[in-house]
Amino acid sequence: GAGVSQSPRYKVAKRGQDVALRCDPISGHVSLFWYQQALGQGPEFLTYFQNEAQLDKSGLPSDRFFAERPEGSVSTLKIQRTQQEDSAVYLCAEGPGVNTGELFFGEGSRLTVL
Amino acid sequence: SQQGEEDPQALSIQEGENATMNCSYKTSINNLQWYRQNSGRGLVHLILIRSNEREKHSGRLRVTLDTSKKSSSLLITASRAADTASYFCATVVQGGSEKLVFGKGTKLTVNP
Repeated sequence: GAGVSQSPRYKVAKRGQDVALRCDPISGHVSLFWYQQALGQGPEFLTYFQNEAQLDKSGLPSDRFFAERPEGSVSTLKIQRTQQEDSAVYLCAEGPGVNTGELFFGEGSRLTVL
Repeated sequence: SQQGEEDPQALSIQEGENATMNCSYKTSINNLQWYRQNSGRGLVHLILIRSNEREKHSGRLRVTLDTSKKSSSLLITASRAADTASYFCATVVQGGSEKLVFGKGTKLTVNP
């Protein structure tokens, strides 16, 4: 079945540190999405890949956020010089394309910036 | 920015009762999806309804879509304690990119 593995599940960073969050899709779907979810809120879109191409990065909050998917499979979300407002759960999802079907989400990486 | 808004924000019912959650959105859509999220977990897809559909069923779930009112509802019948979770509607904007835009969710508590 479909599934997404995210690591680390929990990350505590000191303000100013760089962090890297990994998403390992299992089912080889074409589309991969990153979302940010603050406590008590719905997921907010960050960026979207189709294979290795980053087709939409309109949701990235600042130039400190960078995502890549170099071989069209594993993706990494990098946050440079973390700030307290970056504290959130970062969710990765894969799917055949939202116009054709559902997204399969990972469990998320919870980032806490002190 | 969030396209959809769920109503109510929180809902508490007794086991066996029905739960109805509503979602309103702002722009024309290709489809609308409902997801469920247990505390501390990822989202799980429940049901997808296309813009040319008015109603869809899946087990104890019934979803309606009214594109003229830009609204959808999710009905869970004969609720169970295990249905306790947050429920989100998400839309794919017509003519937009592939992104799925989520609302803020309804937190449902089903008391045993």
